[in-house]
Amino acid sequence: EAGVVQSPRYKIIEKKQPVAFWCNPISGHNTLYWYRQNLGQGPELLIRYENEEAVDDSQLPKDRFSAERLKGVDSTLKIQPAELGDSAVYLCASSSWTGGPSSYNEQFFGPGTRLTVL
Amino acid sequence: DAKTTQPNSMESNEEEPVHLPCNHSTISGTDYIHWYRQLPSQGPEYVIHGLTSNVNNRMASLAIAEDRKSSTLILHRATLRDAAVYYCSPNEKLTFGTGTRLTIIP
Repeated sequence: EAGVVQSPRYKIIEKKQPVAFWCNPISGHNTLYWYRQNLGQGPELLIRYENEEAVDDSQLPKDRFSAERLKGVDSTLKIQPAELGDSAVYLCASSSWTGGPSSYNEQFFGPGTRLTVL
Repeated sequence: DAKTTQPNSMESNEEEPVHLPCNHSTISGTDYIHWYRQLPSQGPEYVIHGLTSNVNNRMASLAIAEDRKSSTLILHRATLRDAAVYYCSPNEKLTFGTGTRLTIIP
């Protein structure tokens, strides 16, 4: 079974340019997450989707960041315009909550997109 | 948000047990403790989770303090493939700190 797919793996842009990251979650996973990981830090949640609905975007800088998950499958995270401080690894994860006392919402992460803003 | 404290780095000899501590003193009463690890150039992967009782799976064991303010991830026989950054989170939202970088010495 294929894991979470992200593209591109690497992106170098100049500041003030727009950039977009794409994520294809594991088939059948209804929950999708975007994280940002700064160098030497743990991942930080930016946004979480349940199907098409963004249920937690409290950490998403809405002045320049946007995300969408049309049809509840693939997702795109966009930054416009990018700033120097946006250089980081952007991770996508997905999970499938089956419910019940013994189930667990394990998150499966993709390899990430490393963004460098010059 | 609940926060965690972990040692920045630890070393262990190959095939020896490893105990990775995590302090999560502000954890809420109903939140699980989650452990993930991140190998170089990869996304994090799930290791184990627990609420109050100690937990075991094929990868590791999780020992949870009675007051739930701390926990310890136990790798029973570390291998070179266990070299990674280990993160604990006091909630399902995966609120990670800086994690512990584990180095395995052959």
